[in-house]
This record gives sequence, structure tokens and C-alpha cells, in this order.
Amino acid sequence: QKEVEQDPGPLSVPEGAIVSLNCTYSNSAFQYFMWYRQYSRKGPELLMYTYSSGNKEDGRFTAQVDKSSKYISLFIRDSQPSDSATYLCAMSGTGSARQLTFGSGTQLTVLP
Amino acid sequence: EPEVTQTPSHQVTQMGQEVILRCVPISNHLYFYWYRQILGQKVEFLVSFYNNEISEKSEIFDDQFSVERPDGSNFTLKIRSTKLEDSAMYFCASSANSYEQYFGPGTRLTVT
Repeated sequence: QKEVEQDPGPLSVPEGAIVSLNCTYSNSAFQYFMWYRQYSRKGPELLMYTYSSGNKEDGRFTAQVDKSSKYISLFIRDSQPSDSATYLCAMSGTGSARQLTFGSGTQLTVLP
Repeated sequence: EPEVTQTPSHQVTQMGQEVILRCVPISNHLYFYWYRQILGQKVEFLVSFYNNEISEKSEIFDDQFSVERPDGSNFTLKIRSTKLEDSAMYFCASSANSYEQYFGPGTRLTVT
């Protein structure tokens, strides 16, 4: 079983739709949960992080973590064509420097 | 807004040659990382560096790899004798707190 699993998509939605992106994981030691956005051939851009379980909101983005189910989600409200990118979930545990373990990414296209 | 920078953006080298990839982390950050992404695959952790020493490294980071922080601003990754399978995007990241990791734009390494 892979440590972090993410549906690669591709996911295509109309502008204004609510987008739901998800990851599951197997390692109970993960404590920090991140979402990154990556445009083609660019570096990952940190969108949000959450510590342990719960929700976090930042503008149009909401991150949810359910540690009991080992399941995390990112919701994008009122999606825009500029949101078109690959979205990566990443997680880290309690190691001193908290190396990140990434999902494979979900490719999202928001159609105008 | 401060950002991580990396040079060069693209490096082409012949198998067996040494390469040095350079990074300038965000200035007040304390944790430094190298990740790589082979085309079409996940972002993978290579090594983390804190307090002037390696804190964690992955199985990928074998004796062919080394890291250095030669001065107060640069962070380098050296590959001593490149192999074809080292071809990838190499990302440097830095963090003030170890969990919010900010990535640079990457160096595309092509080994021929």
C-alpha cells in the first residue's frame, strides 16, 4: 500500500463550480497536512497547511483533515480558470525536519 | 515577497560528470531541503539540512550526493558522477519552522 494516494484525474469542471480534491494515507505518524499547487514545469506553491484533524479556511480554499479515516480534502469554491493546475497533497510526521511525503497530484482544469 | 531561487534553470550534462545545483533559500529560514521529481512521477524527498548538518536523508541520497551551505545564503546539491536516472527536476525548499516549506522554481537536470 502506498503511503499517500491521490486520484490523478484529470478533473475538468466549469468555472464557478466547487472542486473537491482528496488524498488518503496509511502512516498514522503524519501530523501536518499540506496542499500545494503546481503549474507545469514549475515548483510546488504552498496553498495551505493543517495540523492534526480539523478544518482550515483561506479565501476560496478550505482544507479538511480526518485523521480517524486517514483522509484529507481540499475544497475550492467559485473555481476560476486560473485555478487550473496540478494539486499535490503532502504530509509530514514528527521527524526533526519534517520531510514531506507527496501524493501523485490531481490535474485540474477549470473551463471558462 | 521573499522567495527561494535556484540556478541554473536547466543543466545538461554527460553521464559520469559532476554537477552542482545551487539554491538561495529565504533569508530568515533555518531548514533547507532538496526534493526531486522525475517526469510524470511524484515529488520525492532527498535530504534535509538544519543547524549546518544533514538531519534526514532518503535512500535515494546515496554517496554520490552531497549538500553544503558554503556561506550564509547559498545551499548546494552536488551529484558526483551523474547517471541517466538522475535526470529530473530538482527542487530546493526552505522553511522557518520545518512544516511550512517553500519551494524554488527547480533546476531541470538532463543527463545524456
